[in-house]
Amino acid sequence: AQTVTQSQPEMSVQEAETVTLSCTYDTSESDYYLFWYKQPPSRQMILVIRQEAYKQQNATENRFSVNFQKAAKSFSLKISDSQLGDAAMYFCAYYSGAGSYQLTFGKGTKLSVIP
Amino acid sequence: SAVISQKPSRDICQRGTSLTIQCQVDSQVTMMFWYRQQPGQSLTLIATANQGSEATYESGFVIDKFPISRPNLTFSTLTVSNMSPEDSSIYLCSVVGGTAPNTGELFFGEGSRLTVL
Repeated sequence: AQTVTQSQPEMSVQEAETVTLSCTYDTSESDYYLFWYKQPPSRQMILVIRQEAYKQQNATENRFSVNFQKAAKSFSLKISDSQLGDAAMYFCAYYSGAGSYQLTFGKGTKLSVIP
Repeated sequence: SAVISQKPSRDICQRGTSLTIQCQVDSQVTMMFWYRQQPGQSLTLIATANQGSEATYESGFVIDKFPISRPNLTFSTLTVSNMSPEDSSIYLCSVVGGTAPNTGELFFGEGSRLTVL
């Protein structure tokens, strides 16, 4: 079974600085999808960024980028120029592409942004 | 993107009672998913609800405890039956998102936070 591990339960970053959230996963598949989801306090969970395993290029969405290391099964999220609105729980998730839409989530990292 | 509304947003329930959570989507969707997020834990898929068929439950979840209805392509309900304090969780409704098929991308509702006393 696939597992997703987020080793940092909590992180903090100074406003305007850069922070990296870690995620490792375990799978025997060669093709799959990885995600970072953001869950602000008492608000809707939203997709931050998606990475297809067959793509060598790291995904980027504005201030958010990933460092995808397929061989190491590592998928970290870098947030540049951190803003107060980035404060949230961040979940790393894995999807095998099997069609069942059963995503495997990590336990999350709570990010605090210090003004 | 889909707009997903869940009701109630939060509730406090007594042990042994049942509560039904509603999920309304602003567009027609084939698949709807119910996730549970226990305190301090990650999200776990409870079941997949397809319109016109029985819901498909994941290991560890049974229909008697979590009956699901899917009367049409925009609406679903999840009932948490005979609740115990261990059922205290956030329950999330989600639907398939994204422009490419089968990428695993999901849209989520805001969740229903249940506390069972």
